[in-house]
Amino acid sequence: SQTIHQWPATLVQPVGSPLSLECTVEGTSNPNLYWYRQAAGRGLQLLFYSVGIGQISSEVPQNLSASRPQDRQFILSSKKLLLSDSGFYLCAYRGASAIRTQYFGPGTRLLVL
Amino acid sequence: GESVGLHLPTLSVQEGDNSIINCAYSNSASDYFIWYKQESGKGPQFIIDIRSNMDKRQGQRVTVLLNKTVKHLSLQIAATQPGDSAVYFCAENIGDKIIFGKGTRLHILP
Repeated sequence: SQTIHQWPATLVQPVGSPLSLECTVEGTSNPNLYWYRQAAGRGLQLLFYSVGIGQISSEVPQNLSASRPQDRQFILSSKKLLLSDSGFYLCAYRGASAIRTQYFGPGTRLLVL
Repeated sequence: GESVGLHLPTLSVQEGDNSIINCAYSNSASDYFIWYKQESGKGPQFIIDIRSNMDKRQGQRVTVLLNKTVKHLSLQIAATQPGDSAVYFCAENIGDKIIFGKGTRLHILP
């Protein structure tokens, strides 16, 4: 069966510090991978997506970046966090089959102080 | 379309009644639509999907209706239960991306 993991579950970071959030998927090969951010009480904003290793598409220009070093690993990073980076970060995958549903991980809640 | 900056609207429904949650999408090229349920502190959970060549699809207690003429999607939940309390998002597929609508908070009245 397919599963998706994110860690850490919760993170409190000072302004100006770096960030690295990791997402891994099991049970599928060559998935599309996605990073979303959700502010409290708001909708989901697509940040990055990847259709293959090393391929990253950015949806929103900001101080975040994404990387896909392995087929089933997706990393969200920042060199210097801003207060506005606080939020709930969700990773999602879509399998390589014709089924186009996206499935989400449990999320990482980030608080920048 | 995407409205990530807006507060979520709320729909209050009596327990046992049917719920209808509406969504407008923006891109006529969208060929696949999904409804998600998100409980507090969790990631969105898939509920039901529909392709653009259909206008209705039924699941267990849920029905999705698609009106491509007016770019409108709705989710109907039959016999609403306390466990249905959550935020519901519609999403449209455009190529490799899925773009989320603004979401609706469903509140169940006892």
